[in-house]
Amino acid sequence: AQSVAQPEDQVKVAEGNPLTVKCTYSVSGNPYLFWYVQYPNRGLQFLLKYITGDNLVKGSYGFEAEFNKSQTSFHLKKPSALVSDSALYFCAGYSGGGADGLTFGKGTHLIIQP
Amino acid sequence: DGGITQSPKYLFRKEGQNVTLSCEQNLNHDAMYWYRQDPGQGLRLIYYSQIVNDFQKGDIAEGYSVSREKKESFPLTVTSAQKNPTAFYLCASSIDGTTEAFFGQGTRLTVV
Repeated sequence: AQSVAQPEDQVKVAEGNPLTVKCTYSVSGNPYLFWYVQYPNRGLQFLLKYITGDNLVKGSYGFEAEFNKSQTSFHLKKPSALVSDSALYFCAGYSGGGADGLTFGKGTHLIIQP
Repeated sequence: DGGITQSPKYLFRKEGQNVTLSCEQNLNHDAMYWYRQDPGQGLRLIYYSQIVNDFQKGDIAEGYSVSREKKESFPLTVTSAQKNPTAFYLCASSIDGTTEAFFGQGTRLTVV
């Protein structure tokens, strides 16, 4: 079985400060991990992915994520938050073969305060 | 324009009726997925298909049915057996079931 957990329902950060949105995973085999963002009443937009290689991956809109195998984590980060970053963020993952589909965490509301 | 198209955007259904949600993609992706989104519960997988003419149940398949007769199409039928169908439904596709998935804009289904 595979699972992805986002321990925080909500994260509040002041504009200009660094932000972190947490994600932990439990998958069999090599993990394939992703971050998505959702704006109200819209579909999800892909931000970045980890398949293999460097533990720090860079994605869209200045976001990056750090894969940590020993802590089974894949936290989303940005050095300087913008008010427009306010949205719902989802972490997702496959187990190596993709045979169980793509599993999502419950999402974290990111609120950037002016 | 390449992408995934879901229709309709809003759908109203009377209790006891079946309804079919459309999902079409022109990305030439093999894998397609249906998710249900409820507030505070994230995205839950209903059905997925790795290839034409094959599909598997996800975590909450009861009360739903799908078909995958063509590569580009993966319609979802919400049957009268689904006890609480009011939700936001999202369709997605990926190249081969191990890469990033691309999402449609969603269909909001309301039972009246």
